[in-house]
Amino acid sequence: AQSVSQHNHHVILSEAASLELGCNYSYGGTVNLFWYVQYPGQHLQLLLKYFSGDPLVKGIKGFEAEFIKSKFSFNLRKPSVQWSDTAEYFCAVIPMTTDSWGKLQFGAGTQVVVTP
Amino acid sequence: GAVVSQHPSRVICKSGTSVKIECRSLDFQATTMFWYRQFPKQSLMLMATSNEGSKATYEQGVEKDKFLINHASLTLSTLTVTSAHPEDSSFYICSARVLAGGPYEQYFGPGTRLTVT
Repeated sequence: AQSVSQHNHHVILSEAASLELGCNYSYGGTVNLFWYVQYPGQHLQLLLKYFSGDPLVKGIKGFEAEFIKSKFSFNLRKPSVQWSDTAEYFCAVIPMTTDSWGKLQFGAGTQVVVTP
Repeated sequence: GAVVSQHPSRVICKSGTSVKIECRSLDFQATTMFWYRQFPKQSLMLMATSNEGSKATYEQGVEKDKFLINHASLTLSTLTVTSAHPEDSSFYICSARVLAGGPYEQYFGPGTRLTVT
């Protein structure tokens, strides 16, 4: 079955450490790619998105992601995390096929805990 | 802008009763709203796509007679869980797609925690 895979379910790191979260998808053809964040007790918020153009995308709060088409990957990065980055991070894909048009397919999520 | 609200935020109901959850786009019009279900420590699973003025489209495995969806206006969609059972306890999240912002961006509501006793 086609899917979105996030490599890590749980990541713990210290403040100022660098963060990279992996995301791979198995859909062929054109895709739209997203990273969402869910802070404790809050709703999903869009971190960044990729539709086309420059494969290196910059989002809010210092996050960026790189789309590597040949690897079907869209990894999320932040050079230096803060305690406030503690949250659940979801990679999501919209495969641009007829039957999946507009439908977000989510990865399982990665719980990131940043320790002081 | 692009705020989506849900009501109620939490609801506890007895087994066999029905519960209605509202999803509203507060400052934009949404031709399409989506309903998701999220289990603890798991991802969001799309339940159905709700289009204003037409019948909802349900994902495979989702019982349309159990999860009734109505999208009566460009700013309101409702999900009714009928004859709820404990296994329906979950976190239900809606999202709305901006009418004029292209087909790809969705804004999410804060979710509704349903507990069926």
